[in-house]
Amino acid sequence: EAGVVQSPRYKIIEKKQPVAFWCNPISGHNTLYWYRQNLGQGPELLIRYENEEAVDDSQLPKDRFSAERLKGVDSTLKIQPAELGDSAVYLCASSLDLTSSYNEQFFGPGTRLTVL
Amino acid sequence: AQTVTQSQPEMSVQEAETVTLSCTYDTSESDYYLFWYKQPPSRQMILVIRQEAYKQQNATENRFSVNFQKAAKSFSLKISDSQLGDAAMYFCAYRSRQGGSEKLVFGKGTKLTVNP
Repeated sequence: EAGVVQSPRYKIIEKKQPVAFWCNPISGHNTLYWYRQNLGQGPELLIRYENEEAVDDSQLPKDRFSAERLKGVDSTLKIQPAELGDSAVYLCASSLDLTSSYNEQFFGPGTRLTVL
Repeated sequence: AQTVTQSQPEMSVQEAETVTLSCTYDTSESDYYLFWYKQPPSRQMILVIRQEAYKQQNATENRFSVNFQKAAKSFSLKISDSQLGDAAMYFCAYRSRQGGSEKLVFGKGTKLTVNP
């Protein structure tokens, strides 16, 4: 079974340009997460979806970041305009659903964003 | 808010030897999960081992085991018979078991080098 798929793996842009990241979760997983991992740090949650509903976006910088999960499957995270401080690895994860006792999160390989 | 601290930015071990990675956390909750994740250069976070706070028995997974000290809020990872493939960043993470809280809180990580 395929794991969490993310694209692109790498992205280099100039500041003030827009950028988008795409995530395809594991089939059947209802919960999808976007994390940001700054250099030398652990990942930090940006947003969590339950199906197509964003249920925790308290850490998402809403002035420039947006996300969507149409039809409760694939998700896109967008930054517009990008700033130098947005350089990081953006990780997507998915889990089955909240009713499972453990609800392990499975991570994708991430997108490394460099803003010049 | 919960916090996770990994006080060892880097550790090294000889192949076939044993190494212990440290983690402490802060929480006022009594029921939660603790995890160790491995992140190789490919960037994909891989779950190594998990511990449920209400279980007194320390979790083990093959060569990986934990020393969970709930009162001390300590959660160390022991890797026995270290292999070259164990070289990676290791992250300790906390997750509440309170309803609806699925956020993983990560430490800053420990870089493990395995010397042949």
